[in-house]
Amino acid sequence: EIVMTQSPATLSVSPGERATLSCRASQSVSSNLAWYQQKPGQAPRLLIYGASTRATGIPARFSGSGSGTEFTLTINSLQSEDFAVYYCQQYNNWPPITFGQGTRLEIK
Amino acid sequence: EVQLLQSGGGLAQPGGSLTLSCAASGFMFRTEAMSWVRQAPGKGLEWVAAIGSSGGTTYYADSVKGRLTISRDNSKNTLYLQMNSLRAEDTAVYYCAKQIGSCTAGNCYFDYWGQGALVTVS
Repeated sequence: EIVMTQSPATLSVSPGERATLSCRASQSVSSNLAWYQQKPGQAPRLLIYGASTRATGIPARFSGSGSGTEFTLTINSLQSEDFAVYYCQQYNNWPPITFGQGTRLEIK
Repeated sequence: EVQLLQSGGGLAQPGGSLTLSCAASGFMFRTEAMSWVRQAPGKGLEWVAAIGSSGGTTYYADSVKGRLTISRDNSKNTLYLQMNSLRAEDTAVYYCAKQIGSCTAGNCYFDYWGQGALVTVS
């Protein structure tokens, strides 16, 4: 089973600034990585797939990068609606499909 | 508009059973692979099970294998999760999720999610 590790667990950033979230895989997942955003009481929303491709309707301030075992989600010019929990998910080696434990992005 | 409308959550006793349903609309359900993903209270996301578009192939997390069964009725556009021999650790919000494609084609991520159904085992 591939273990996904996200860091940091909590990230405090001011609105208008940039947030950088990390995700590490225990072995290579190539570019088969997705990012999701989840707000309290809501289902997750797909942001990024293929490590760097934005899903339909996702603003350009969200960008993903990386391949192999190291991945980054960058959110530029943070808006109030961006403060949420973010999960990475690998789909290269399955079953099982595995998620990271999440990074909580909070307002500084 | 794609919609996944879930029903069937609730309270079950340890060792008991429960069935979750997920009614799909707004897309060609019979051509799309589907999964169930759960989230224990205050915890992260855990993939539970996946099923191919025809229902002929299924995959499970080790933690639920032999106890939870994923199935689908393409004539009713509905996905199911039959939950037997429930344990306290199965307590979670269960989401049905539409896969962007089949896992075998390398497209095992999720573009639409249901609203979630809380299952409490106590």
